[in-house]
Amino acid sequence: NAGVTQTPKFQVLKTGQSMTLQCAQDMNHEYMSWYRQDPGMGLRLIHYSVGAGITDQGEVPNGYNVSRSTTEDFPLRLLSAAPSQTSVYFCASGINQPQHFGDGTRLSIL
Amino acid sequence: GQQLNQSPQSMFIQEGEDVSMNCTSSSIFNTWLWYKQDPGEGPVLLIALYKAGELTSNGRLTAQFGITRKDSFLNISASIPSDVGIYFCAGQLSPGNNDMRFGAGTRLTVKP
Repeated sequence: NAGVTQTPKFQVLKTGQSMTLQCAQDMNHEYMSWYRQDPGMGLRLIHYSVGAGITDQGEVPNGYNVSRSTTEDFPLRLLSAAPSQTSVYFCASGINQPQHFGDGTRLSIL
Repeated sequence: GQQLNQSPQSMFIQEGEDVSMNCTSSSIFNTWLWYKQDPGEGPVLLIALYKAGELTSNGRLTAQFGITRKDSFLNISASIPSDVGIYFCAGQLSPGNNDMRFGAGTRLTVKP
């Protein structure tokens, strides 16, 4: 049972590049969500989904897109990376709230 | 947007001591959650609270959902070295609204 799997674990991008962070869960959870964690701050919700085909914005959605074509996968896309998006990104899944988190993707934008 | 104020920011305690931390908000929350995060890992859910006044335990951990629905408390009894980490509270805003807010965390250090 893999739980929540995030890839890649580390990534360095140049300003303006695009990238997709992958998140997959094998627990058949309807709820999936993406967060960013910056030093000294709690997690901030970027986007979330309550089921395949349904997505909604969280607290800090600007600069990010998501889609939910299957129950298992919830990718996060950075359209044009900016230094302000340097952060650690966490994906989570659960029945109707974040119960299980992945180990994070550490993203640096130069 | 809605803010969660978590305190204290950090705690340095002796092994065996009890610990208390809390989260407060100016907004009403439908659900309160408490997590622990170890370095380099994602948060782990410790306790979930769904009703005002609810008191729930998980081993040495006890959490309460405040009566006003604007606060929550986490207590750790008889702390041990492996309790070291960052503890986060989180609130779910309202029924049917799955938006979440997290506190900034309480960093716990336990001295053997």
